[in-house]
Amino acid sequence: GQSLEQPSEVTAVEGAIVQINCTYQTSGFYGLSWYQQHDGGAPTFLSYNGLDGLEETGRFSSFLSRSDSYGYLLLQELQMKDSASYFCAVRYTNAGKSTFGDGTTLTVKP
Amino acid sequence: GAVVSQHPSRVICKSGTSVKIECRSLDFQATTMFWYRQFPKQSLMLMATSNEGSKATYEQGVEKDKFLINHASLTLSTLTVTSAHPEDSSFYICSADRRLADTQYFGPGTRLTVL
Repeated sequence: GQSLEQPSEVTAVEGAIVQINCTYQTSGFYGLSWYQQHDGGAPTFLSYNGLDGLEETGRFSSFLSRSDSYGYLLLQELQMKDSASYFCAVRYTNAGKSTFGDGTTLTVKP
Repeated sequence: GAVVSQHPSRVICKSGTSVKIECRSLDFQATTMFWYRQFPKQSLMLMATSNEGSKATYEQGVEKDKFLINHASLTLSTLTVTSAHPEDSSFYICSADRRLADTQYFGPGTRLTVL
């Protein structure tokens, strides 16, 4: 089976930096993605890592270490609108099937 | 990012009726689309993989005769929930797979309520 672990909740204040970790055990690995989901909405794509290292997209960065089966999403200069659920997802087949973590609820406080 | 549309966004139906949900990839061709369902405060659960021009493949525990999937073109996949029951009430989300980017892009979701 496939399993991903990420913290269930994280709380931080506006302007701070927060890191959401994700560890995985999957039958295959083609990449790690991160998605943001606000209450009532669908997931929106944030970042993707196919190779080891850091990917930066504005205030968001994502890191992958395939040897450690580990990745993280880094959110900088937190804003109130960043309060949402964040899911890591591993693409585990070449055909694109992905498995999702249970999600991390981020609460940003003033 | 890519654009995926889903219609309807919300539907309320009576028990025993069928509901069709459409998923369209608007700016790229998707040979593969995925259908998920999500219960409140839970993760996304993959229901099936929709392949253009061939039969869908269903995850274990998902009834293929109840959740009919048709991927008629490279930009359109449909999910029909047949003989809906209240326990089918959920948030259904499709995604289109963009192979070149190794990434899925999600539609806005359909909230189904079966009375």
